[in-house]
Amino acid sequence: SQQGEEDPQALSIQEGENATMNCSYKTSINNLQWYRQNSGRGLVHLILIRSNEREKHSGRLRVTLDTSKKSSSLLITASRAADTASYFCATDAIKLSFGAGTTVTVRA
Amino acid sequence: DTGVSQDPRHKITKRGQNVTFRCDPISEHNRLYWYRQTLGQGPEFLTYFQNEAQLEKSRLLSDRFSAERPKGSFSTLEIQRTEQGDSAMYLCASSLGGQGDLQPQHFGDGTRLSIL
Repeated sequence: SQQGEEDPQALSIQEGENATMNCSYKTSINNLQWYRQNSGRGLVHLILIRSNEREKHSGRLRVTLDTSKKSSSLLITASRAADTASYFCATDAIKLSFGAGTTVTVRA
Repeated sequence: DTGVSQDPRHKITKRGQNVTFRCDPISEHNRLYWYRQTLGQGPEFLTYFQNEAQLEKSRLLSDRFSAERPKGSFSTLEIQRTEQGDSAMYLCASSLGGQGDLQPQHFGDGTRLSIL
């Protein structure tokens, strides 16, 4: 069964705006990862945050983790057309358990 | 690093036929994973190998599915007597295991299976 659930299901923004998506999960975790998937392609790993971390940055990406609420958020700042993709959170380091993802469309 | 390679990219077959997919992982990666993804959903874990040993299989992997990684390098996923419900994208991923299990998985671009 899917552990992570992303919200919203879809997001449409203007180039240069920020995009925020959330992930909720059900059971305790050791770490949480975010992946991106462009249409028709495989998934690309973006960032991993451990359960003892609250925030992590990588370039234009900022991830937060609140283990008390069993939730995580991914913020993409200054979005570009190339950020158009589906974004997934995943729990469990080996048997990754994904939600249905958030589809982000960045309009030029 | 040539990435994870999957073959074929697309497979169309009639219901009841057998199909086999191949995955070539990143060469130094000892772990290899198979996932299935249907339209509008995230990938679902099917099975994984550490070297040549198949360490875990999901309940999604019915008796019609078999995966092998005979020499700890490439892997094959076979589906026998295909059914309509097998139509999906089959994704392969690889990673370095034993590094505190915090190594990211690197995905191939998948094999899209369509059952007529």
